[in-house]
Amino acid sequence: GENVEQHPSTLSVQEGDSAVIKCTYSDSASNYFPWYKQELGKRPQLIIDIRSNVGEKKDQRIAVTLNKTAKHFSLHITETQPEDSAVYFCAASSSGAGSYQLTFGKGTKLSVIP
Amino acid sequence: DAGITQSPRHKVTETGTPVTLRCHQTENHRYMYWYRQDPGHGLRLIHYSYGVKDTDKGEVSDGYSVSRSKTEDFLLTLESATSSQTSVYFCAAGTSGVNEQFFGPGTRLTVL
Repeated sequence: GENVEQHPSTLSVQEGDSAVIKCTYSDSASNYFPWYKQELGKRPQLIIDIRSNVGEKKDQRIAVTLNKTAKHFSLHITETQPEDSAVYFCAASSSGAGSYQLTFGKGTKLSVIP
Repeated sequence: DAGITQSPRHKVTETGTPVTLRCHQTENHRYMYWYRQDPGHGLRLIHYSYGVKDTDKGEVSDGYSVSRSKTEDFLLTLESATSSQTSVYFCAAGTSGVNEQFFGPGTRLTVL
């Protein structure tokens, strides 16, 4: 099955700096790569996603890049703000039994220091 | 919140007792999922459903069963709870496996 590795597990940045979180996946057939943000005590929520036919996608201060050859994808947050502090999860899709399931990385706890 | 609710939100139970968690969605999503979240492990898939009465196992399915008799409800049952099943359980739903999954608020389960 799919295996997703996520690094780093914790990340501290100064407010205004950039943050980068990296993930690798094992299944070359995976074609959907979402990123979820989970604030303390809350549910995970999608912040951005990318499909295998696209190399980069941006949404304001957030961007995701995908390298299919190397099987890795990254989340970039620019001009970080205290409200960006949360746990971020990457995920990759894999098929099975007529449906698709997401395999998640173990998460990165981002702390933005004011 | 994409119309996904979970009940109960908190539960404390004893080892060996059966427990059922309920996920209810109002958006007619075809796919539904149960995850558990533990420190250092992220979100791990327990079971998922791709239609009424159509379910399949995920990564950590041992000790869990599921049922989906209606589109809107997906039940997770621990037949005989163990302390290793103490966790936060999240339900999710979506229109397909390669689109956004909407998560419920979670259920914190403690097995003593």
